[in-house]
Amino acid sequence: QKEVEQDPGPLSVPEGAIVSLNCTYSNSAFQYFMWYRQYSRKGPELLMYTYSSGNKEDGRFTAQVDKSSKYISLFIRDSQPSDSATYLCAMKGIGGTSYGKLTFGQGTILTVHP
Amino acid sequence: EAGVAQSPRYKIIEKRQSVAFWCNPISGHATLYWYQQILGQGPKLLIQFQNNGVVDDSQLPKDRFSAERLKGVDSTLKIQPAKLEDSAVYLCASSTSGNTIYFGEGSWLTVV
Repeated sequence: QKEVEQDPGPLSVPEGAIVSLNCTYSNSAFQYFMWYRQYSRKGPELLMYTYSSGNKEDGRFTAQVDKSSKYISLFIRDSQPSDSATYLCAMKGIGGTSYGKLTFGQGTILTVHP
Repeated sequence: EAGVAQSPRYKIIEKRQSVAFWCNPISGHATLYWYQQILGQGPKLLIQFQNNGVVDDSQLPKDRFSAERLKGVDSTLKIQPAKLEDSAVYLCASSTSGNTIYFGEGSWLTVV
C-alpha cells in the first residue's frame, strides 16, 4: 500500500466549475500537508500549505485537512482554463522516518475547458 | 529573488552512457533535494543535503547514481551507467526551514 493515494484522473470540467481534488494517507506521522501545481514541462510550485485539521482559504483555493480520517482535499472555485495542470498533494512528518521527507501523491491531471 | 536553477533542461542519451545534472539552489537555502519524477507519477526523493552533508539517501540507487554538494551550495547528480528506466524528470529543490520547498523546472532525461 502506498503511503499517499491520489486519484490520477484525468479530470475535465467546464470553466466556472468547482473542482475537488483529494488524497488519502496511511502514515499517522504526517503532520504537514501541501498542494503543489505543476504545469506541463515545469517544476511543481507550492499552492497551499497547512498544518492543522480544518480549512485554509487563499483566494479561489481552499485546502481541507481531516487528520482523523487521514484525508485531505483541495477545492478550486470558479475554475479557469489557466488552472489546467497536474495537482500534487504532498505531506511530511515531524518525527521518525518521515521527518523532513516530502512524500507526494501520484498527481491529478485537471483540464478546465472554456 | 532568483529561483532554483537547473541544467541541462533536456538530455537524450543511450543506455549505458553517463549523464550529469547541475543545480544551483536559492541563495541562502541550506537544504537541497534531488527528486526523480517518472511520467505519470509524483516526485520521489532521491537524496537530501543539509549544507554539504547527506541527510537522507535511502532511495538513491547507489550502484549507478551519485550526488555531491561541494561547499554547501551547488549540487551535481550523476547517473552511470544509465538504464532505460532512468528516463524521468530530475527535479532539484531547496528550502530553509524545510517546510516550504521550492522546485526548479527540472532536467528531462530520455534514455534510448
